[in-house]
Amino acid sequence: GQQVMQIPQYQHVQEGEDFTTYCNSSTTLSNIQWYKQRPGGHPVFLIQLVKSGEVKKQKRLTFQFGEAKKNSSLHITATQTTDVGTYFCAGPYGNQFYFGTGTSLTVIP
Amino acid sequence: NAGVTQTPKFQVLKTGQSMTLQCAQDMNHEYMSWYRQDPGMGLRLIHYSVGAGITDQGEVPNGYNVSRSTTEDFPLRLLSAAPSQTSVYFCASSSGLAGPYYEQYFGPGTRLTVT
Repeated sequence: GQQVMQIPQYQHVQEGEDFTTYCNSSTTLSNIQWYKQRPGGHPVFLIQLVKSGEVKKQKRLTFQFGEAKKNSSLHITATQTTDVGTYFCAGPYGNQFYFGTGTSLTVIP
Repeated sequence: NAGVTQTPKFQVLKTGQSMTLQCAQDMNHEYMSWYRQDPGMGLRLIHYSVGAGITDQGEVPNGYNVSRSTTEDFPLRLLSAAPSQTSVYFCASSSGLAGPYYEQYFGPGTRLTVT
């Protein structure tokens, strides 16, 4: 079954608004990764978080890894039309790698 | 470096036909995997390999076979195509001998339709 749950499934925002997607794992993860997939494209790696409570920033994107290493979030400040796409979290379970169901972000200009 | 390449980009099959989706990487990555992507389902792991000669099943392996004779290549075979296998297929690779603990590099995908 699905090991990694992600909410919301869809999010529509006005350009300039903030956006957050949440990821929850059924078990503790050694690390969590985030990917972005543009419409018609393939997933592209954004970042990896490893430490409990870790926070990393990439320009307007802020990534957090929960204290228990079972949840994570991605926050985008002041969205732009270039942020459009689906954002996936993913984590390893043994030798297998599971992706969340993704959050599809639409930015309305 | 070409990264991860996949062929073909598009394919239409009739029910019962077989075919092989090709995947190759030139980054000397040990870990390779195949995913299928369906609307609302995210990416689901079909099969993976931790090195040449070693493969294992993922979440949705039924109807698919894989082999890994070289580090570079990881083909996915559909034995007898069914409409339920209509999907977008992605191949991915990552470095690291211990498993998928590093960045995954994805190929451009193969869009398969089974009629």
